[in-house]
Amino acid sequence: AQSVAQPEDQVNVAEGNPLTVKCTYSVSGNPYLFWYVQYPNRGLQFLLKYITGDNLVKGSYGFEAEFNKSQTSFHLKKPSALVSDSALYFCAVRDFNKFYFGSGTKLNVKP
Amino acid sequence: DGGITQSPKYLFRKEGQNVTLSCEQNLNHDAMYWYRQDPGQGLRLIYYSQIVNDFQKGDIAEGYSVSREKKESFPLTVTSAQKNPTAFYLCASNGHSNTGELFFGEGSRLTVL
Repeated sequence: AQSVAQPEDQVNVAEGNPLTVKCTYSVSGNPYLFWYVQYPNRGLQFLLKYITGDNLVKGSYGFEAEFNKSQTSFHLKKPSALVSDSALYFCAVRDFNKFYFGSGTKLNVKP
Repeated sequence: DGGITQSPKYLFRKEGQNVTLSCEQNLNHDAMYWYRQDPGQGLRLIYYSQIVNDFQKGDIAEGYSVSREKKESFPLTVTSAQKNPTAFYLCASNGHSNTGELFFGEGSRLTVL
């Protein structure tokens, strides 16, 4: 079965510093991977996805993610964090018509 | 604008009552989904539907029921059989592409008193 894991419940970073939110995956076949962001009491917003091609994927709000097949990872990154980036981030994998989500990582960006 | 509308945003119910959460989309998407979100557990799939008049159980379907009579609508009923119904419920849809992402509504928070 397909699955993703987010090993960190929480990530703390200072504003202006680079940030990384980790995700590892376990899939059979080609992985279709996604990142979403959720603000309190809101739905999930799509940030970016990896389907095929370039291992560095660029998405919304300055976020990017690096796909690493050998390490089965799909880490979310941003060169310079903003306080407004503070939210809950989910990694997900698609298996045909079903999507499986990680447990989420809370990102705290401090001024 | 196109999107997914969930209602109500907040709902309170007494134990033993059934409650129905509404989900409507105007994205012309074939596939629709219901997820349950609990703190620290991510999203868990309750039911999904690929086409009108057809739906499949997800990982935690017990105590829930759905219908898909129209392409635009996918209501979820939380029955009295659901042991722990207090949660945040998210509806989502997906278009025709096999590699496309999910689009989410704003969620409904159900609290059982």
